[in-house]
Amino acid sequence: GQQVMQIPQYQHVQEGEDFTTYCNSSTTLSNIQWYKQRPGGHPVFLIQLVKSGEVKKQKRLTFQFGEAKKNSSLHITATQTTDVGTYFCAGLIKAAGNKLTFGGGTRVLVKP
Amino acid sequence: KAGVTQTPRYLIKTRGQQVTLSCSPISGHRSVSWYQQTPGQGLQFLFEYFSETQRNKGNFPGRFSGRQFSNSRSEMNVSTLELGDSALYLCASSLGRTENNSPLHFGNGTRLTVT
Repeated sequence: GQQVMQIPQYQHVQEGEDFTTYCNSSTTLSNIQWYKQRPGGHPVFLIQLVKSGEVKKQKRLTFQFGEAKKNSSLHITATQTTDVGTYFCAGLIKAAGNKLTFGGGTRVLVKP
Repeated sequence: KAGVTQTPRYLIKTRGQQVTLSCSPISGHRSVSWYQQTPGQGLQFLFEYFSETQRNKGNFPGRFSGRQFSNSRSEMNVSTLELGDSALYLCASSLGRTENNSPLHFGNGTRLTVT
């Protein structure tokens, strides 16, 4: 079935460094959403991308939607301890009956 | 504005029992979606309700059911509980349907443990 894959599953980052997490789908996505879940918390909506090639920034976070609308990335610069958590992408797949399908998440640990 | 409220926060049930989970969406939100979150399977879509009608359903057995009331509040029921049903059940509300690009606002979840 249609899936949304995220890599890496875990990311250990030194405070101050940059990192990128990737989201890939086997099927074209109508949109891609990103969520952050802090340890013990619930997913919180970060951003939504709809257009092919779209790039959006939120302070140190940069989100991209691929030209073919099958992949997306989240790049965090100058990682801080507040960035700890699991980042999920979620793609809306029309071919799957308009279900919002979540990737497995990238769990980010920050080394001070 | 109050966020999404889920009750109860924790539940312990035994195999074969049934359970009902409740979700109150953000005021004005008409869509409610339910997800199951487990360490191994991540966030799995259960169903979406809008205007008291189930609009979409995930790949879960018929033991999982839900409903939505006229005030947009939603309940989810799991019958004949199995050990594998142990999970965090998350409810999320949105202004409109997810197919119309409405982002989800999640509640804190109900942690269900089946023994």
